[in-house]
Amino acid sequence: QVQVLQSGAEVKKPGASVKVSCKTSEYTFTSYFVHWVRQAPGQGLEWMGVIDPSDGTTRAAQKFQGRITMTMDTSTRTMYMELSSLTSEDTAIYYCSRDVHCTGFSCYYLDHWGQGTLVTVSS
Amino acid sequence: DIVMTQSPLSLPVTPGEPASISCRSTQSLLHSNGYNFVTWYLQKPGQVPQVVIFLGSHRAPGVPDRFTGSGSGTDFTLKISRVEAEDVGVYYCMQALQTPFTFGPGTRVDVK
Repeated sequence: QVQVLQSGAEVKKPGASVKVSCKTSEYTFTSYFVHWVRQAPGQGLEWMGVIDPSDGTTRAAQKFQGRITMTMDTSTRTMYMELSSLTSEDTAIYYCSRDVHCTGFSCYYLDHWGQGTLVTVSS
Repeated sequence: DIVMTQSPLSLPVTPGEPASISCRSTQSLLHSNGYNFVTWYLQKPGQVPQVVIFLGSHRAPGVPDRFTGSGSGTDFTLKISRVEAEDVGVYYCMQALQTPFTFGPGTRVDVK
């Protein structure tokens, strides 16, 4: 069945960068958009961005533009999300999730989520 | 950006009784293809979110028929006909019509 496996927890100092990986399997890699969503401790869900694996096109929320880089490695079926200039406000669980179908950049729903990667930013 | 609001933010429920959550968007979520690009997710305690309703009114695979999504344009509702203990958690509506996608603040449903 479809699997989405994320990298392990990270502890970073303010100002540093973090790169979270999201390895997928058991489906046609280039056919499904992958989104990045984060959740600060005790808070709600926040959409960060999306990548179209068919051509690598990305779109990100304005608040992250300039700090977020979403990439992919087709050979290993792995997505990456790098966030730079970290502050304590970036402490959160970061999720990647596959979208079941998108029409342009209008999408149906996130059907397979990774287990989440806790990123802690602390001096 | 499209802003999503939900009400109530907290909803104590009695098992067997109905429940309803409202979600509103600052822009219409109706696509030219006729579908409303709003999704409802449930995040159970300690778990990742799971889809309940997509495209406004379509029940996701495996979701019990006690869940119903309705609405169009900017006003949407998630109804649970008879709440069960396993339905507790935080419900989020999300618009997926245009990037940046945005979530509502969430409605915490728990048992009285």
